[in-house]
Amino acid sequence: EVQLVQSGAEVKKPGESLKISCKGSGYSFSTYWIAWVRQMPGKGLEYMGIIYPGDSDTRYSPSFQGQVTISADKSISTAYLQWGSLKASDTAMYYCAHQGDVLTGYYAFDIWGQGTMVTVSS
Amino acid sequence: QSALTQPPSASGSPGQSVTISCTGTSSDVGGYNYVSWYQQHPGKAPKLMIYEVRKRPAGVPDRFSGSKSGNTASLTVSGLQAEDEADYYCNSYAGSNRVFGGGTKLTVL
Repeated sequence: EVQLVQSGAEVKKPGESLKISCKGSGYSFSTYWIAWVRQMPGKGLEYMGIIYPGDSDTRYSPSFQGQVTISADKSISTAYLQWGSLKASDTAMYYCAHQGDVLTGYYAFDIWGQGTMVTVSS
Repeated sequence: QSALTQPPSASGSPGQSVTISCTGTSSDVGGYNYVSWYQQHPGKAPKLMIYEVRKRPAGVPDRFSGSKSGNTASLTVSGLQAEDEADYYCNSYAGSNRVFGGGTKLTVL
């Protein structure tokens, strides 16, 4: 079964750093793009960026460029989303999502992680 | 890149059909046949319902259908059922970027 399992909820203070993870299983992790999506409380989905674990090619949405870092370690089938200095406005649910292929949909996100809630509060 | 435009809400009675629109530009919806739709129930992760404008993943009922005309894509839910009540989001490929719509809350009356 193809699945993405994300790390647990985090509570942080403004200015702290954070790295959350997304572990893939049931498929060839290196050969499928993994995206990150933000959902602020009560709001819609926002695309943050995407990474190809095979060569770590990373593309950021202009809205998130410079605000976060997306990375991956293909040896342990895990993608990451990290912040150097959190702000209260980073409080949100963060999802990772597997991008499909010719069989499951180019440029569509066919498998989603369960989400990681990040709360930033003093 | 601005978010795609969706109506905030839509509704219909059981058995009826409802169509949700998703309007973008020639740089996203109008420029590529890579529009996808996602269903999200409260407290749950999104679920892919339609990809490449009109294709359904395995397991998605054929009551869900997609289409596109110019810069506007649409999701139609036919034969509404209570479990269809959820938030729906469109997404489009936009070159090296992707963009979501603001979401539509579908209510089954």
